[in-house]
Amino acid sequence: EVQLVESGGALVQPGGSLRLSCAASGFTFSGHWMNWVRQAPGKGLEWVANTNPDESVKNCVDSVRGRFTISRDNAKNSLYLQMNSLRVEDTAVYYCGRGVNWAVDSWGQGSLVIVSS
Amino acid sequence: EIVLTQSPATLSVSPGERATLSCRASQSVSSNLAWYQQKPGQAPRLLLYGASTRATDIPDRFSGRGSGTDFTLTISSLQSEDFAVYYCQQYNNWPPFTFGPGTKVDIK
Repeated sequence: EVQLVESGGALVQPGGSLRLSCAASGFTFSGHWMNWVRQAPGKGLEWVANTNPDESVKNCVDSVRGRFTISRDNAKNSLYLQMNSLRVEDTAVYYCGRGVNWAVDSWGQGSLVIVSS
Repeated sequence: EIVLTQSPATLSVSPGERATLSCRASQSVSSNLAWYQQKPGQAPRLLLYGASTRATDIPDRFSGRGSGTDFTLTISSLQSEDFAVYYCQQYNNWPPFTFGPGTKVDIK
């Protein structure tokens, strides 16, 4: 069974940093693109970033470029999102998701990030 | 960036009835469109990809049609567990992947 478990969400002040982690199991992690998708409270879904299996390709949405960095450790079956210079508008539940056929076919339960003073 | 528009914003349907949801893209996305279901407090779940291919374990009452800019998701006979928010997502022109704003299906 595919499992994705996010961790690292917290309350952080504007301008602060946070690192989210996603532990994967039940599939060959090193064979899949992986994504971060976020959802602000009461709002819709927003794709944040993805990376290919060997981490040679990384993409992100314009609103986080230069502030967020996606990375992975295939030996540890883990995906990460380093978030710097956090803004109030980054407040959201952050989901880790497995890419299959360019859709996100498996999702974690999410990790809540609150950016507030 | 491709913008997706979903209609209606809310659809009120009685159990057992048919529901038809629409997703329109600002430019052609070919058949590179997925549909997701999200229930309150839960992560999204992939329903369809390639506009019409059901994901693993998705019941056949869910079907999708369309290509180019106009797509529909049909739920043939709504069950109680189908009341949720539905999102479309394009993966034809990316980055970024983009999602529609969602359609909430609630009980009439």
